[in-house]
Amino acid sequence: NAGVTQTPKFQVLKTGQSMTLQCAQDMNHEYMSWYRQDPGMGLRLIHYSVGAGITDQGEVPNGYNVSRSTTEDFPLRLLSAAPSQTSVYFCASSYKAGGELFFGEGSRLTVL
Amino acid sequence: AQSVTQLDSHVSVSEGTPVLLRCNYSSSYSPSLFWYVQHPNKGLQLLLKYTSAATLVKGINGFEAEFKKSETSFHLTKPSAHMSDAAEYFCVVSGPPDSGYALNFGKGTSLLVTP
Repeated sequence: NAGVTQTPKFQVLKTGQSMTLQCAQDMNHEYMSWYRQDPGMGLRLIHYSVGAGITDQGEVPNGYNVSRSTTEDFPLRLLSAAPSQTSVYFCASSYKAGGELFFGEGSRLTVL
Repeated sequence: AQSVTQLDSHVSVSEGTPVLLRCNYSSSYSPSLFWYVQHPNKGLQLLLKYTSAATLVKGINGFEAEFKKSETSFHLTKPSAHMSDAAEYFCVVSGPPDSGYALNFGKGTSLLVTP
């Protein structure tokens, strides 16, 4: 039972570099989302998708890009990394928008 | 607009005593409400959810929460704390349709259980 799989688990970047956080789910969920978790801030929604080909912005979308070409995959791209993007990133999926979210184990990103 | 406020950032209880984690919400419509738990360096796991059925919701590991519309509260309780309950707990409210029903997280309550 893979569930939601995120890679990489850890990454260190230099300011200005770009990278992609991968997220895949094998539950045939229509809804997928990316959150970032910072101390004392809870989880904040970056981007979400209600189905293949459909994406929308969440609370903190600046500096991030997403696409949803298949039901299974929802990568998060950092276009030009900044120290303010140092965080733990979680991908989550649900059978429908507003339903129970199933989370990946997180990706810890440090931007120097 | 919808928001969620967890009234305590830290709660400390002794093993075997009751747990109360408080959550208030505001919403312009009838939302779904959730509690999630996060153990150290782990992902998040659903404890329980309210979706307009019974107001007293039972979850995993002996936790339950009561939805009180008049008080806009959704407090999480457990009769007897166990050491393994030490974790971060998040109260969550669903957003409106034009947000894709996005789930909005509170800032979290860290539960410490002492022997």
